[in-house]
Amino acid sequence: EPEVTQTPSHQVTQMGQEVILRCVPISNHLYFYWYRQILGQKVEFLVSFYNNEISEKSEIFDDQFSVERPDGSNFTLKIRSTKLEDSAMYFCASVDPRGAYSNQPQHFGDGTRLSIL
Amino acid sequence: ELKVEQNPLFLSMQEGKNYTIYCNYSTTSDRLYWYRQDPGKSLESLFVLLSNGAVKQEGRLMASLDTKARLSTIHITAAVHDLSATYFCAVVGGATNKLIFGTGTLLAVQP
Repeated sequence: EPEVTQTPSHQVTQMGQEVILRCVPISNHLYFYWYRQILGQKVEFLVSFYNNEISEKSEIFDDQFSVERPDGSNFTLKIRSTKLEDSAMYFCASVDPRGAYSNQPQHFGDGTRLSIL
Repeated sequence: ELKVEQNPLFLSMQEGKNYTIYCNYSTTSDRLYWYRQDPGKSLESLFVLLSNGAVKQEGRLMASLDTKARLSTIHITAAVHDLSATYFCAVVGGATNKLIFGTGTLLAVQP
């Protein structure tokens, strides 16, 4: 079965540094998402991406965050100047909302654990 | 703003017992999903509930949806240790089909 893949699995970064988290969504999917989960808390929506642009973003997704789909397969989340509170698990998800798949659940990657020191 | 709440937040139960976990949401939504998360792992889709009165069964878990009450439940029958995990419900919010997750229920099944 096709999977969403994320790299790296764990990223340790000094506060103030830039970090890029990478995702390869399922190939025929059209909507892509980033979520984050602070340790022990619920999963929070960050941003949705469709047709090569951001379609919706949350309050968490401020000017320090950006997303990009640089080619036909990768989907990246960049945090420009990391803060301690950015430490969390970041999940990428994708879905095909068309036709018979319109109600299918989003498929999640295994996540990247981001630790800011 | 769509809010999703689950209870209990933590449930410790013995093998062989039955229990129900609950998910309430604040505004109308046409889809509700349940996911399972093992410690340090990703989110695994368990149930897709699309309409009022929907009932789905997966092994010892039975999920239901009451859209009028804005309530979904998972009933656990004769729990086994392998069911130990955190269970999240998620409701679709907004035009981009983003998921709004509940607070999660951490289920610990003791031998």
